[in-house]
Order: sequence, then structure tokens, then C-alpha cells
Amino acid sequence: EVLLVQSGGGLVQPGGSLRLSCAASGFTFSSYEFSWIRQAPGRGLEWIAYISSGGRTVFYADSVKGRFSISRDDDKNSLSLQMNSLRAEDTAVYYCARDPPWRYWGQGTLVTVSS
Amino acid sequence: DIQMTQSPSSVSASVGDRVTISCRASQDLSNWLAWYQQKPGKVPKLLIYAASNLQSGVPSRFSGSGSGTDFTLTISSLQPEDFATYYCQQSTSFPWTFGQGTKVEIK
Repeated sequence: EVLLVQSGGGLVQPGGSLRLSCAASGFTFSSYEFSWIRQAPGRGLEWIAYISSGGRTVFYADSVKGRFSISRDDDKNSLSLQMNSLRAEDTAVYYCARDPPWRYWGQGTLVTVSS
Repeated sequence: DIQMTQSPSSVSASVGDRVTISCRASQDLSNWLAWYQQKPGKVPKLLIYAASNLQSGVPSRFSGSGSGTDFTLTISSLQPEDFATYYCQQSTSFPWTFGQGTKVEIK
């Protein structure tokens, strides 16, 4: 069974940092590409970051470019999102997802940026 | 960036109705379009990929069509469990983008 289990998240002050993780199981992690997708409260879905298999290619949405960093550890079957210089508008539920099309998603984790 | 525009933004329908949701892209997507269903507080679920391919396990009352810039999601006979928000999404070029969503509500 394909599983993506997220951890991290929580409450952080504006300007602070947070790291999200996504632990994968049930498939050959190194063979797949991944994305992070977020959803602000009451809003639609927003793709924010992508990493290729092997990790050599990454892309970011303009809204997070220069502040967020996506990475992967194929030895640990783990995906990460390092979030720096957080803003109130980064408050959202964050999802990791495999491929696209995104058949497999993590359970989501809430990040709240507030003082 | 490729802009994705869905219409309508919301639709009120009854069980058994046929529901059609449109998605228009600002650039040619070929067929790199997917449709997702999301219920409140839940993870999005893939319904259709490559414009018209039904994801395994998704009921056959869901269908997708279109190519280029104009796409359609059709629910042939709306069921109670289909009341949700639907999103189209393109993966032709970065940044990958979603439509704003279409909420299907009970009439």
C-alpha cells in the first residue's frame, strides 16, 4: 500500500521557520517525483514546489520562491519542505503528493503563521 | 503562467441530475489536464487524468473530455456522495496551476 505520512507543522510567528516532512512507504521512493501543494483556509488548491526523481530538478511557485526549499532523502524515503521567512499568507494546510497526476497524497498538515 | 478558469463557480443540483463543469486554459495544454474532487476537511481525490482517463476506482458516472484549451468534467447522474468541490489542474508547464474550484451543492 502506498502511504505518505506527513509530520511537522504547527504555529509559528511571522518571519519564523518551519520544516515539513513526508515519509513514504509501499513503493520505490527514488523512482518518483513529488510536489507540495497547499490550501489556505476557505481557499482553493495551490501547487508550490516540485522535485524530480533524483532531486536534480526543482521548481517553485513565485509565492514561495526564495523562501521555501524542497528536498528529498532517497535513503530515508523522505521528502521535506523547509519554510523560511514565513508570512501570515502562508497559513494553510500543506500536502505532499506523488507524481502528477496526484493519485497519492499525504494526510495534510496545518501551518499557522501568527503572532 | 497558465491561467485556469472554471465555470460555474458553484452549481446547485439534485440527485440524479447531469452536471457539467467547464475548465478553460489560457494556453494549449494538449491533454495534460486532471480533475480532482475535494470534500470538506478531506484530502483531494484524483478523478480524471490526461483529460479523459478515469482513475481506477472512480465511478463511471464521472467522465472527462476536451483537449487544447477547453475541457469538461461531467457527472452523468449526481449521487449524494458527489456533493463536493471540483478542481481542474494543468501540468503542461510550471508553475502548475489549478482552477479556482466549482462547488456542487444540494438543490
